Amino acid sequence: QVQLKESGPGLVQPSQTLSLTCTVSGFSLTSYNVHWVRQPPGKGLEWMGRMRYNGDISYNSALKSRLFISRDTSKNQLFLKLNSLQTDDTGTYYCSRDLGVNWFAYWGQGTLVTVSS
Amino acid sequence: DIQMTQSPASLSASLEEIVTITCQASQDIGNWLSWYQQRPGKSPQLLIFGATSLADGVPSRFSGSRSGTQYSLKISRLQVEDIGIYYCLQANSAPYTFGAGTKLELK
Repeated sequence: QVQLKESGPGLVQPSQTLSLTCTVSGFSLTSYNVHWVRQPPGKGLEWMGRMRYNGDISYNSALKSRLFISRDTSKNQLFLKLNSLQTDDTGTYYCSRDLGVNWFAYWGQGTLVTVSS
Repeated sequence: DIQMTQSPASLSASLEEIVTITCQASQDIGNWLSWYQQRPGKSPQLLIFGATSLADGVPSRFSGSRSGTQYSLKISRLQVEDIGIYYCLQANSAPYTFGAGTKLELK
């Protein structure tokens, strides 16, 4: 059974760095692409970036200077680091596995991140 | 970046009514278009991929179509469980971009 679960700090101060983990089960990170998507409260979805099965990474150009995605395949974990946080980085962060091409078929429950002092 | 213009922003419809939501791509994306439903407080769920293919477990009252760079999601007979927000997503080229969403409510 394919599962993804995001975890993170919940509350982060402005200007600090956000670190999130996506722990997956039921598939291998070396077989499928996994994406990060975020959603500000009451607003729409924004694609942040993708780790391909072969380790290639793509970033949303709007975030590229602040965003870093990595993984540990031995632990079945994908990581997100977003630095220089601002209040408009507040939102729910999802990781999502696609079907081998870019159809986001499986989603984690999301983790809410609030940027506030 | 490719822009996805989704309409309407909100929609109120009655049970059993036909509902149509559209997304207009700013350039050719072929069939690299998918649709998602997001129920309140839940994660998005894949409905349609490849513009017209129904995802596993999705009721057959959902369908997708394409005319050039315009894409449509149709719900043939609206049910209570269809209430939520619907998004299109273009996956032709990064950065992948979502439409702004359509909030579907019961009349």
